[in-house]
Amino acid sequence: DAGITQSPRHKVTETGTPVTLRCHQTENHRYMYWYRQDPGHGLRLIHYSYGVKDTDKGEVSDGYSVSRSKTEDFLLTLESATSSQTSVYFCAISESIGGPYEQYFGPGTRLTVT
Amino acid sequence: AQSVAQPEDQVNVAEGNPLTVKCTYSVSGNPYLFWYVQYPNRGLQFLLKYITGDNLVKGSYGFEAEFNKSQTSFHLKKPSALVSDSALYFCAVRDGASGGGADGLTFGKGTHLIIQP
Repeated sequence: DAGITQSPRHKVTETGTPVTLRCHQTENHRYMYWYRQDPGHGLRLIHYSYGVKDTDKGEVSDGYSVSRSKTEDFLLTLESATSSQTSVYFCAISESIGGPYEQYFGPGTRLTVT
Repeated sequence: AQSVAQPEDQVNVAEGNPLTVKCTYSVSGNPYLFWYVQYPNRGLQFLLKYITGDNLVKGSYGFEAEFNKSQTSFHLKKPSALVSDSALYFCAVRDGASGGGADGLTFGKGTHLIIQP
């Protein structure tokens, strides 16, 4: 999985509680992404980062925030989890944000909000 | 805007037969096209990509994909399927005219490939 780890790998939480997911990379890639995967929707971009402290919104950013204080770490926070945020979350990295550069994915975090 | 369509939710193939997983795309500029595979409880693994040049692209695990500009397609193929090829396959596109970012990479909804022994 290209030097990318995600923690936790599984989490069950209650509606209304805050949740933080962590992505850690050892590839020193500048660009990092958070996606969610849901049946019938494929992967949808939540937020992405183009450097330390530089982040921007993706397609489905409502209810999520991110932070990147170090090149290797990208955090995704659900301020107040809802059942609609039950999903599998993937972190990805890439050398460049545009052009013909592929993204490499972490193993995923399965989040269940009850 | 860019988009990807994978018209088949599931493809069933007998082991040893050739397989094709279909993908069509829409972009305003020149496309960069990617195929990924996802095994159960794993992240997506990069298989291959088309940038420019030869329309037939070879990738990992014996897979190849054929770019067809007139049909705006990028179908994934393998001459002889293995049971271990059973997985979820995603096509993705990036418009070469875009700067990336939020419009960077658009994924299809995925196709389940089932190889029957």
